[in-house]
Amino acid sequence: KNEVEQSPQNLTAQEGEFITINCSYSVGISALHWLQQHPGGGIVSLFMLSSGKKKHGRLIATINIQEKHSSLHITASHPRDSAVYICAKQGAQKLVFGQGTRLTINP
Amino acid sequence: KAGVTQTPRYLIKTRGQQVTLSCSPISGHRSVSWYQQTPGQGLQFLFEYFSETQRNKGNFPGRFSGRQFSNSRSEMNVSTLELGDSALYLCASSLDVTGGYYEQYFGPGTRLTVT
Repeated sequence: KNEVEQSPQNLTAQEGEFITINCSYSVGISALHWLQQHPGGGIVSLFMLSSGKKKHGRLIATINIQEKHSSLHITASHPRDSAVYICAKQGAQKLVFGQGTRLTINP
Repeated sequence: KAGVTQTPRYLIKTRGQQVTLSCSPISGHRSVSWYQQTPGQGLQFLFEYFSETQRNKGNFPGRFSGRQFSNSRSEMNVSTLELGDSALYLCASSLDVTGGYYEQYFGPGTRLTVT
């Protein structure tokens, strides 16, 4: 079993829909990261959180430390949100990544 | 501030050769991490350097090595290249903030193809 599991692996939705991507991890963490990767490879850090909830624009990330679970939500999704979203747990100066969720938003 | 830069962006090598990739972190960042991304294995941690010292290493063979210079720039080297080393190699820099967690800023990556 991977240390970090994401679901779903692929997600296709219509523009405007509310999107949720889930991430579960098996052991304790210092922090949980959400990353976005567009075609071409560039990775952007969206959130880094160790408790509670963070919001940036239409993106919201939550974490439940007791349940070892985090979610990334996108409100009012847009085709430009199409990308691979990756969660990663942090411990001891290194990140362990989930396999990613490929999100496609159709106009 | 300029972002993380990596050179070269694309590289084609032959099996058995060696390769050196370079990463320049954001000014003021002293931690540099390297990652390998392949379609089969996804993103995997290679190693992390801070103030010229390797602090952590992933599960990769000794053919993969790295170093960091006094200006925080980092290089990684892969010797005796194998076909399976074909991948996107990403570096990321961060401030080493006390408290145990820190945001990482990724470079654009070097896409290595081994033939």
